[in-house]
Amino acid sequence: AQSVTQLDSHVSVSEGTPVLLRCNYSSSYSPSLFWYVQHPNKGLQLLLKYTSAATLVKGINGFEAEFKKSETSFHLTKPSAHMSDAAEYFCVVSTGTASKLTFGTGTRLQVTL
Amino acid sequence: NAGVMQNPRHLVRRRGQEARLRCSPMKGHSHVYWYRQLPEEGLKFMVYLQKENIIDESGMPKERFSAEFPKEGPSILRIQQVVRGDSAAYFCASSPREVAGTSGANVLTFGAGSRLTVL
Repeated sequence: AQSVTQLDSHVSVSEGTPVLLRCNYSSSYSPSLFWYVQHPNKGLQLLLKYTSAATLVKGINGFEAEFKKSETSFHLTKPSAHMSDAAEYFCVVSTGTASKLTFGTGTRLQVTL
Repeated sequence: NAGVMQNPRHLVRRRGQEARLRCSPMKGHSHVYWYRQLPEEGLKFMVYLQKENIIDESGMPKERFSAEFPKEGPSILRIQQVVRGDSAAYFCASSPREVAGTSGANVLTFGAGSRLTVL
């Protein structure tokens, strides 16, 4: 069995300050982990993925995430938030086919001036 | 490339009516997946289809829900006799080949979703 917990349903940051979106997972197998972003009225877009290579993963738009097995975490970070980062972010764990994708409940990121 | 197109984007139905949600995959994609997001929950897998075949429907409710992906035209998710508990966002994704292995999610392209509200 596998599960994903996104610890914050809403996060608000000021433009130019760091972003931290937290994700913890549990899995019986070595998982792959992903972050997706959904902007208003758009489809889910893959931000980055971890597939057992480097534990620090760099994605698009300046985002990165670090896989920490000891903490079962895969937190998403960005050094400096931009207004265009305002969106919903989903952490996802996978141990197989598309039917085995487990999504977190999402974190809505708000960026203020 | 228009991406994965879902329509309608918003649908309102009264209890007992039927809801039909359509999904046109990306050009060149022959594999379609439907996911449902209930309020305050993550997306959950419902069904995986290829043209004219249901491959995996392990996430579909046993009654009132059906899906098809005909040889021509979009994939349809059909909900008969809707109830308030069916209110959710329904997402479609497509891929050019079967998603398999632990890195599979990177070949899925998602649509913007269809939001169903049952009054």
